Amino acid sequence: GESVGLHLPTLSVQEGDNSIINCAYSNSASDYFIWYKQESGKGPQFIIDIRSNMDKRQGQRVTVLLNKTVKHLSLQIAATQPGDSAVYFCAENYGGATNKLIFGTGTLLAVQP
Amino acid sequence: DSGVTQTPKHLITATGQRVTLRCSPRSGDLSVYWYQQSLDQGLQFLIQYYNGEERAKGNILERFSAQQFPDLHSELNLSSLELGDSALYFCASSATGGNEKLFFGSGTQLSVL
Repeated sequence: GESVGLHLPTLSVQEGDNSIINCAYSNSASDYFIWYKQESGKGPQFIIDIRSNMDKRQGQRVTVLLNKTVKHLSLQIAATQPGDSAVYFCAENYGGATNKLIFGTGTLLAVQP
Repeated sequence: DSGVTQTPKHLITATGQRVTLRCSPRSGDLSVYWYQQSLDQGLQFLIQYYNGEERAKGNILERFSAQQFPDLHSELNLSSLELGDSALYFCASSATGGNEKLFFGSGTQLSVL
């Protein structure tokens, strides 16, 4: 029978190009955001995080931008490599004292050699 | 390697049965989380424990229960299994259970036949 699954947005880029993955979050009260990378058959792997008192944070080859006005988060990957191919999830923390991370549906990044 | 250990990696069982998934958090982490990842629902937060006590609850069915033991390992019990319970179950851990990044295990793939 037909399988039903999430339709993941896909971003296809050439090796060496910069990638931008976008995420709209849902709760204006969320104060902590994380990007995770998930490769096939593995658990989500932490990439970078940002708190709501910041609008930009840089890591190694990655930058996260936060726009609280429009509840938008983006992940920029510089000089994308084949090893960057994976599903990328943004997650927001609703919870304050708890750490109830709510994940978005994910974006599949496909890097073409 | 995230330092979070989950067993077993794969589990195949029949409808109506009961299974237990086990998780050992990273050394020093006090908080454990359980997530369910299915094709049609994405990554869903189930429950969080901190130092043996339940801290936050998400979309966890009444047929499911969890606990965190004094040595900080956790178990997720799934009973009266249905076909729709087939999914990847991830455990994650964090240091204090507050606004901080989670480290995920490799998951347990549950197949209910």
